[in-house]
Amino acid sequence: AQTVTQSQPEMSVQEAETVTLSCTYDTSESNYYLFWYKQPPSRQMILVIRQEAYKQQNATENRFSVNFQKAAKSFSLKISDSQLGDTAMYFCATHGAQKLVFGQGTRLTINP
Amino acid sequence: EAQVTQNPRYLITVTGKKLTVTCSQNMNHEYMSWYRQDPGLGLRQIYYSMNVEVTDKGDVPEGYKVSRKEKRNFPLILESPSPNQTSLYFCASSYGDSYEQYFGPGTRLTVT
Repeated sequence: AQTVTQSQPEMSVQEAETVTLSCTYDTSESNYYLFWYKQPPSRQMILVIRQEAYKQQNATENRFSVNFQKAAKSFSLKISDSQLGDTAMYFCATHGAQKLVFGQGTRLTINP
Repeated sequence: EAQVTQNPRYLITVTGKKLTVTCSQNMNHEYMSWYRQDPGLGLRQIYYSMNVEVTDKGDVPEGYKVSRKEKRNFPLILESPSPNQTSLYFCASSYGDSYEQYFGPGTRLTVT
């Protein structure tokens, strides 16, 4: 079975600062993917970034990057130069048998 | 435009009154899934379907039914809704084993 844990229910930073969201996971899969999804107030689930476990290089997408520590089963998301539009719930996820397994979510607020 | 659609977006109903939430995708995806989102619990899978006429239970299937008569449609049926089914529901689809799921806009259901 897979589990995903996000230990920060809420975070708040000032605009333009850098913020890191934490995620730990456990999985029995030998090859797997990890994801960060963003859910803004519109409630739409938006894929932010994806990491393939067999790739050692950390994934990046513009201002979003991950710190993937496979041995520690850690998958944190770093948002650089944060913007007001980054205000949202963020979910870490991995895949199980025919499903995504999500963490509890971190509510991130960017203050002007 | 590639998308997953859900209807209705908002629904308020009473205990015991049967309802159906529709889901449709235009990407010819084999795999479709339903999730419910509750505060502090993230998203949890209700049911999934790997192709037409192939469905199976997810983690929280009690009180729900699904059907997959056409590849593009995957309706969620609550035959006798109860207040503990008040939640935010998401439909998602993907190509077989790609694991990247495309989410619908969500349906906010309230059962009184």
